[in-house]
Amino acid sequence: KNEVEQSPQNLTAQEGEFITINCSYSVGISALHWLQQHPGGGIVSLFMLSSGKKKHGRLIATINIQEKHSSLHITASHPRDSAVYICAVRSWVASGSRLTFGEGTQLTVNP
Amino acid sequence: GAGVSQSPRYKVAKRGQDVALRCDPISGHVSLFWYQQALGQGPEFLTYFQNEAQLDKSGLPSDRFFAERPEGSVSTLKIQRTQQEDSAVYLCASSLAPRGEETQYFGPGTRLLVL
Repeated sequence: KNEVEQSPQNLTAQEGEFITINCSYSVGISALHWLQQHPGGGIVSLFMLSSGKKKHGRLIATINIQEKHSSLHITASHPRDSAVYICAVRSWVASGSRLTFGEGTQLTVNP
Repeated sequence: GAGVSQSPRYKVAKRGQDVALRCDPISGHVSLFWYQQALGQGPEFLTYFQNEAQLDKSGLPSDRFFAERPEGSVSTLKIQRTQQEDSAVYLCASSLAPRGEETQYFGPGTRLLVL
C-alpha cells in the first residue's frame, strides 16, 4: 500500500462541473501539498496546507489531519483546468523534510 | 524573476552511456531536490542538498547515480552506465528555506530515454 493514495486516477468532466479529487495518507506529516502538472512536465504548486482549508480563485483545498485525508475541489471547471493533479505529503526525516507523492489524478475537462 | 531551469530538456542515450543532467535553482534558494518520475507515476525522491551539502541521498536507486552541488547553487545529476529502466523524467526543485520547509519550485524536467 502506497503511503499516499489518490482517487480517482482519471476523471473526465464537462465544463462547469464541480470537481473533487481525494488524497489519503498513512504517515505523520507536517504539511500537504497539491500540485498541478501540465503535459511537458512542468509542476506548479497550488497549495501547501497543514490544517483547515485554503482557497485560491476557483480552487479549494481542505485537510482533515485526524482522518489523514485531503480534498482538492475545482468549482466551475474549465478545459484549461485539464492537467494531472498530484497530492504530496511532507514528513520529517533525519535530514530535514521529504515529499512523498501520490500517483496523480488525470483530469480532463471537455468543453 | 527566473524560475528553476534544467538542461537538457530531452536526452536520448544508448544503454551504457553516461549522462549528466543540470539544474539551475532559483538564486538564493538553500534547498535543492532531485526527483525521478516514471511515465504515469508521481515523482519519487532521489536526493536533497542544503547549500553544497548533500544531506540525504537515500532515494538514489543505485551507485550509478551521483549528484553534486559544489558551490551551493547549480547541481548536476550524473547517471553512469545508463540502463533502460533509467528512462524517466528527472525533476529538480528548489526551496528558499533549509530542510525543505517551504514551497518547492519545480523545473521543467529532463526527459531521459535510454535505448
